[in-house]
Amino acid sequence: DIQLTQSPSFLSASVGDRVTITCRAGQGISNFLVWYQQKPGKAPKLLIYATSTLQSGVPSRFSGSGSGTEFSLTISPLQPEDSATYYCQQLHSEPLTFGPGTKVDIK
Amino acid sequence: EAQLVQSGAEVKKPGESVKISCMGSGYSFTNYWIGWVRQMSGEGLEWVGMINPSDSDTRYSPPFRGQVTISVDKSSSAAYLQWSSLAVSDTAIYYCARLPFYSGRFWSFDYWGQGTLLMVSS
Repeated sequence: DIQLTQSPSFLSASVGDRVTITCRAGQGISNFLVWYQQKPGKAPKLLIYATSTLQSGVPSRFSGSGSGTEFSLTISPLQPEDSATYYCQQLHSEPLTFGPGTKVDIK
Repeated sequence: EAQLVQSGAEVKKPGESVKISCMGSGYSFTNYWIGWVRQMSGEGLEWVGMINPSDSDTRYSPPFRGQVTISVDKSSSAAYLQWSSLAVSDTAIYYCARLPFYSGRFWSFDYWGQGTLLMVSS
């Protein structure tokens, strides 16, 4: 199985800040990395697929980058509605796996 | 626009069976795989498995293989997740989601159902 780790597990930042979440894969996954946003009591929402492609309707302040084993999600500028937990997921090989999540809090 | 609507919350006792559903609309149901994801209270997301509605090809995550059954009824655009003998540890929210598959690869879970809460308690 391909293990995914995320860092940090929690971050607190101010509106207007630039924040970056890192996702590391236990082995190379090419560009088959996806990011989701989940707010309390809601289903996850797709933000970015294929490492850097923004899903339709997602604000351009979200961006993704990386390849191989190291990936990142950047939010800039941070907005109040971005308070949520963010998960990465690899779809390179089965079993499909998720990262443990990063909770983003707005100061 | 694509939409996945899941069945309502279930409260069951250990040893009972249950089948939860996920109904797709607004797109060609047989052109996308349907996946299931578990989220235990306060925890992260876990992939349970997925099914291709066009030919019922089914894949399971190893921890869930043999514990659940994923099925589909393409005539009604519905996918199902079922248990034959529930355990307290099955208590969680279960989400279905649509998976685009093209160029030989899966790309994301792009549309999600609202989730079904399954509570198992004696």
